[in-house]
Amino acid sequence: GENVEQHPSTLSVQEGDSAVIKCTYSDSASNYFPWYKQELGKRPQLIIDIRSNVGEKKDQRIAVTLNKTAKHFSLHITETQPEDSAVYFCAATYNAGNMLTFGGGTRLMVKP
Amino acid sequence: GAVVSQHPSWVICKSGTSVKIECRSLDFQATTMFWYRQFPKQSLMLMATSNEGSKATYEQGVEKDKFLINHASLTLSTLTVTSAHPEDSSFYICSAKTSGANVLTFGAGSRLTVL
Repeated sequence: GENVEQHPSTLSVQEGDSAVIKCTYSDSASNYFPWYKQELGKRPQLIIDIRSNVGEKKDQRIAVTLNKTAKHFSLHITETQPEDSAVYFCAATYNAGNMLTFGGGTRLMVKP
Repeated sequence: GAVVSQHPSWVICKSGTSVKIECRSLDFQATTMFWYRQFPKQSLMLMATSNEGSKATYEQGVEKDKFLINHASLTLSTLTVTSAHPEDSSFYICSAKTSGANVLTFGAGSRLTVL
């Protein structure tokens, strides 16, 4: 199966600063990489995703980059706001895209 | 957009009882549903994958007789925690997707507390 490593496990930034979360994966056949945001006690919500035929994708303050050769992908949040505080999970597909493996999560804290 | 409803959101039960959690896709046909367990401050641990009309595939270490999964229709999957014990207390989340799609839609989760 797929193995996804996520770093850091916790990240504290000042409001307005940028935050970067990095993930590596093991299965070179993986071709879909979503990022989920989970607030305390709530369901994970998809915030952005990227497919293997694209190197970068941006949606307002959120961007994701993918390096297929190195098998790593990153989430970038710019101009962070307190409401960005949550746990973020990266994931990667395996088993011909039928399954997702999640990273261990990053607890992001944005200090006002 | 796609919506998945999960019920109940919170259940407290006595040790030894069985608890059923439902996961419904409200506006799409969920050919595949996934059940996860999440401990505090930890990631989502996949328990099993269920495809409509067939037996669930359980991850290594997950007791199939303990966690019964049924996916009888394209819009409903259930997880039954049989003879629950305090160590089964956890947050259980389902997710669903349609055939050929990668995007998962998550339920809101069910917090199980076994006394």
